[in-house]
Amino acid sequence: DAMVIQNPRYQVTQFGKPVTLSCSQTLNHNVMYWYQQKSSQAPKLLFHYYDKDFNNEADTPDNFQSRRPNTSFCFLDIRSPGLGDAAMYLCATSRGQGSSYEQYFGPGTRLTVT
Amino acid sequence: AQSVTQLGSHVSVSEGALVLLRCNYSSSVPPYLFWYVQYPNQGLQLLLKYTSAATLVKGINGFEAEFKKSETSFHLTKPSAHMSDAAEYFCAVSGSNFNKFYFGSGTKLNVKP
Repeated sequence: DAMVIQNPRYQVTQFGKPVTLSCSQTLNHNVMYWYQQKSSQAPKLLFHYYDKDFNNEADTPDNFQSRRPNTSFCFLDIRSPGLGDAAMYLCATSRGQGSSYEQYFGPGTRLTVT
Repeated sequence: AQSVTQLGSHVSVSEGALVLLRCNYSSSVPPYLFWYVQYPNQGLQLLLKYTSAATLVKGINGFEAEFKKSETSFHLTKPSAHMSDAAEYFCAVSGSNFNKFYFGSGTKLNVKP
């Protein structure tokens, strides 16, 4: 089945220690998104890629970076995690940038910062 | 600008009862609207979407939603709740510039036996 895969599902890192979360997709979609979701809150868009074109949300902290080496993979790098970065991180894809396209979500990576 | 308001952060129904989850939107352009469900420690799963083809949209798991332009609403309903429907539900409207989703704050549905 075509899908969005996130690894690992659970990640524990130490305060200030860089961490990378990964996402892959077999849907061959052009657009990939990274969201941060804190407990009992709506997902918050961090950035998205349309092909290799990177788009950062204005309020995404500089501590968060992303890479998309090819169509299938996208990475979220947190350079110096703080306690406030503990959250669920969701990767999503869509076929295009048009407003009618639904987004397909991965299962998420729950990040704990100790 | 686009935004979504979900009335009721928690809704509790008995098994077999009607489910009604409310969503009101604000959009400066004809909206595209979506309902997603999220089970604990899972990603979001699409239930249904409105893209102007029909005002009554049927989705998976027996859910449906009706787009009412006059009321700027897109409420989610299911005639008979099942225990497996217990989850968090998010309404979203997509933006005009690109496919940016504006999510509501979510409604947690509890189903009592």
